[in-house]
Amino acid sequence: QKEVEQDPGPLSVPEGAIVSLNCTYSNSAFQYFMWYRQYSRKGPELLMYTYSSGNKEDGRFTAQVDKSSKYISLFIRDSQPSDSATYLCAMSDAAGNKLTFGGGTRVLVKP
Amino acid sequence: DGGITQSPKYLFRKEGQNVTLSCEQNLNHDAMYWYRQDPGQGLRLIYYSQIVNDFQKGDIAEGYSVSREKKESFPLTVTSAQKNPTAFYLCASSMNRDSDTQYFGPGTRLTVL
Repeated sequence: QKEVEQDPGPLSVPEGAIVSLNCTYSNSAFQYFMWYRQYSRKGPELLMYTYSSGNKEDGRFTAQVDKSSKYISLFIRDSQPSDSATYLCAMSDAAGNKLTFGGGTRVLVKP
Repeated sequence: DGGITQSPKYLFRKEGQNVTLSCEQNLNHDAMYWYRQDPGQGLRLIYYSQIVNDFQKGDIAEGYSVSREKKESFPLTVTSAQKNPTAFYLCASSMNRDSDTQYFGPGTRLTVL
């Protein structure tokens, strides 16, 4: 079993819909959580960074962490075709320790 | 214009040949990383370096080698000992060893013919 599980998709939604992404993990020591966006044949770019449990909002993006359930989520409101990309979750157990990545979820936002 | 550059973007290699992938950053970051990305498997850490002239093996270091002679450069050599080298290779950097925020380069796609 992988340490971080993420549905590969593709997840197809109409423009303007809410995109809901999630990752589950098995290592209870993880406490730093990140979401990266990766366009095709490009490097990942950091979208959201959260520490421990709770919610964080940045524009159209909301990240949620539920450590008791070992479950993190990313929501994208008012989705746009430019949001079509692969979304990777990543996490670590301490500042500066190596990141463990999920396999990524491919998202398609149709006009 | 600060960032991480990787070259070349596409690379083709014959079996049995060593090849070196370039990674340069002008962000003045101490730490640098090499990852391999395969479809559906996410990113796997090959090597990382937290300071010049020092580096550590990641999860899948066999068949790879690195050097860190300069702060801004962290080249990766894929040797003939790597059994399945065809993949997308990503270089990243972070401010220092205590930073979780990694910034990625555009990647190099290596294909072994």
